[in-house]
Amino acid sequence: DTGVSQNPRHKITKRGQNVTFRCDPISEHNRLYWYRQTLGQGPEFLTYFQNEAQLEKSRLLSDRFSAERPKGSFSTLEIQRTEQGDSAMYLCASSLFSGGSYEQYFGPGTRLTVT
Amino acid sequence: EDQVTQSPEALRLQEGESSSLNCSYTVSGLRGLFWYRQDPGKGPEFLFTLYSAGEEKEKERLKATLTKKESFLHITAPKPEDSATYLCAVQARSNDYKLSFGAGTTVTVRA
Repeated sequence: DTGVSQNPRHKITKRGQNVTFRCDPISEHNRLYWYRQTLGQGPEFLTYFQNEAQLEKSRLLSDRFSAERPKGSFSTLEIQRTEQGDSAMYLCASSLFSGGSYEQYFGPGTRLTVT
Repeated sequence: EDQVTQSPEALRLQEGESSSLNCSYTVSGLRGLFWYRQDPGKGPEFLFTLYSAGEEKEKERLKATLTKKESFLHITAPKPEDSATYLCAVQARSNDYKLSFGAGTTVTVRA
């Protein structure tokens, strides 16, 4: 399978705990994006990387959230001191930024439940 | 701020009953409009990109069209496997990274 992969697929945690998600993009893609989706809504942009550089962060990304993409390959999204409002599907997407096409390809997501 | 409104919220169709989904958008300079399909518990699956008014794209029973204010996704003679949530997203010319999504239209096709 050469698509975007995410792990874990599901995570249940207690309020106040830290969680970390991993995303492996399509291998030749140089851009990686994180989105959050709540029930009945479309995905909302959180942040993105071009290679290893984090170029933009949404104001939705509070200081409890941090993302990294070491060496421009996989990425991790960490949430510290989780709150019930963090419960959502966290989606990763990747794209090949070549100036001609802008399609983003999504992974299966990580469903986070904060109890 | 970019805005995307999709209608209807839900659509129930009989197999073979063609219909259209609407995506109205407000964006300061459209770079592209994207259609995705999302099955329950899964990530969005890319369908089409439209870049300019008048453009049309087709894939199997789906056809997407674009005007300066809205896009339509036409489903011709749908089958039960076309049941899914269809998401519309726009990207403004001022950025080349962020997709702004609508809430989606959930389509259910009964056999």
